[in-house]
Amino acid sequence: EPEVTQTPSHQVTQMGQEVILRCVPISNHLYFYWYRQILGQKVEFLVSFYNNEISEKSEIFDDQFSVERPDGSNFTLKIRSTKLEDSAMYFCASTHSHEQFFGPGTRLTVL
Amino acid sequence: QKEVEQNSGPLSVPEGAIASLNCTYSDRGSQSFFWYRQYSGKSPELIMSIYSNGDKEDGRFTAQLNKASQYVSLLIRDSQPSDSATYLCAVMDSNYQLIWGAGTKLIIKP
Repeated sequence: EPEVTQTPSHQVTQMGQEVILRCVPISNHLYFYWYRQILGQKVEFLVSFYNNEISEKSEIFDDQFSVERPDGSNFTLKIRSTKLEDSAMYFCASTHSHEQFFGPGTRLTVL
Repeated sequence: QKEVEQNSGPLSVPEGAIASLNCTYSDRGSQSFFWYRQYSGKSPELIMSIYSNGDKEDGRFTAQLNKASQYVSLLIRDSQPSDSATYLCAVMDSNYQLIWGAGTKLIIKP
């Protein structure tokens, strides 16, 4: 069964550094998402992406964040200058309609 | 502010019994509703979707939707210890964005 994959599974970085989180959505899906979940808290929407552009973004998704689909398979989330409060699980999801399927996540730890 | 409310639990249910999980939502225009299961430290896993009023059954799971009452529920029959997890209710708004509840922690006691 096709799956969403994410790399790395765990990323440790210093405050102020740039990180890139990578996702490979399910191949026939057209809509891609990034979510984050701070430990013990709700899943929070960050951004949705369709047809090579952002379709929606939340208040969390400020100028420090960007997304890109650099080729036909990868979907990346870049955080330009990480803050301590960016420490969270980051999930990528994809869908071809309404049902979103999640990758295993990247645990980002900012020191 | 669009909201999805769930009882945080924990909800403790004996093995073999029916677990009943509930969710209410504020956006009356919502049309798509989802239940995800999340094990500790793992990603949300889609277990049920429901789009119209009434019941939808899939194996041991039944989702129930009442749009007039803005209420979604999930029933798990013949609960197993492996069903112990946090169950997340997610509601799709008119911008096709998922609004998430905080989740109900379910514990199935052997």
